[in-house]
Parts: sequence; structure tokens; C-alpha cells
Amino acid sequence: EDKVVQSPLSLVVHEGDTVTLNCSYEVTNFRSLLWYKQEKKAPTFLFMLTSSGIEKKSGRLSSILDKKELSSILNITATQTGDSAIYLCAADRYNFNKFYFGSGTKLNVKP
Amino acid sequence: GAVVSQHPSRVICKSGTSVKIECRSLDFQATTMFWYRQFPKQSLMLMATSNEGSKATYEQGVEKDKFLINHASLTLSTLTVTSAHPEDSSFYICSATPGPGNTEAFFGQGTRLTVV
Repeated sequence: EDKVVQSPLSLVVHEGDTVTLNCSYEVTNFRSLLWYKQEKKAPTFLFMLTSSGIEKKSGRLSSILDKKELSSILNITATQTGDSAIYLCAADRYNFNKFYFGSGTKLNVKP
Repeated sequence: GAVVSQHPSRVICKSGTSVKIECRSLDFQATTMFWYRQFPKQSLMLMATSNEGSKATYEQGVEKDKFLINHASLTLSTLTVTSAHPEDSSFYICSATPGPGNTEAFFGQGTRLTVV
């Protein structure tokens, strides 16, 4: 059964800390892994990863995919209260066009 | 980035009535649209996948007669919750992908449905 598992489920840090969120997947014919940030409403896109070992960066956020380990991490450096959100990862398959979402990691950044 | 507009953002309806939620891709043609449901503190649960001009593919456990999905054009998909019950109260989100080669999904703002 295809699935995506995220850890930890929740995390509390203080401003300035660095956090690493984990996502592992078991998806047949895996094509890509996506990270989203969800605040009060719909998720917003962060990264799409298709190649192993290539880091993608956007400001203080970065992510990398490891196809050998079937996993990805999302790093956030120098966290701010505005980073508080649920971070979702999703995987999709070739020829299937369906996204499998993890349960999300709820990040709470305290001042 | 591509924009997906979902309407309404909030709706309250009485038990037994039907509610229609619209999902529009504003600046791209969406070959495929997805409908998700999200319960409090849980992740997105895929309900169905719809391709323009064909019947939607429903996930196991989702009643196709209750959750009617229509994808009449490349920019519009609708989800109709028929004969709504309080247990249908939830957050419904649509997403759309621009084409078969692009897996990035863009999400609508979501619709908070409350059935009283």
C-alpha cells in the first residue's frame, strides 16, 4: 500500500532555532515529492523534488530528496513565529497523477 | 504562480440540502483537478480525481452519489455535496495541475462547510 509518513507529528521551538522535518515514502513508481505549508487555509507550495541529492532552497527553507532512503527532509533555519504552520509532504507516481499526503508536521515557533 | 480559486470559502446549510463548491483555475488549463477533505488536525484526504470531460475517479470509501463531481471544462470543476448531513461538515479543498508532465499541484483556498 502506498503511503507517506511524516515525523515528528508536532514540534515546538523558539525563534532562531533550526528545525528539520522528515518525510518518508513508499510509493510505487515514485515520480516526485512535494512540500507544502498550510496555515489557516489551503496549503501553499514550497518545493517539488524529483532528483536525489539536489538541494532546493528558498530563503531560510531548503529541502533535499534521498531516493535510496526513500525520504526527504525540509530544513528551516533561523525560525520565526511566522513559520508556525503545518508542513505537508506529498508523493506522486508516474502515470497515476495522484498525490499521497503525509499526516503533516505541526510546527509551533515561540517568540 | 498559477492561481486556483475556490468558492465559496464558507457555507452553512441545513441538513438534507445540497451544496455546490466551485474550483476554477484562473490562469492555466487544468487537465486534472483533485478534491480533498480535511478533518481537524488531520492531513488531506483525497476524495476523487477528475479529468476534464470524463467521469471522476473516486477513492475507496467515498460515495460517488453523495459527492458529485463535474469537470466540464479545463478551468472549472465542481463538487456537489448532496443531501448534506452534519457529518459532512468539514474543510474541502481542490487542487489542479496544469498538465500531464507537470506534477506541481496548486490549491484553492478551501471551503469550510457546516451542516446544521
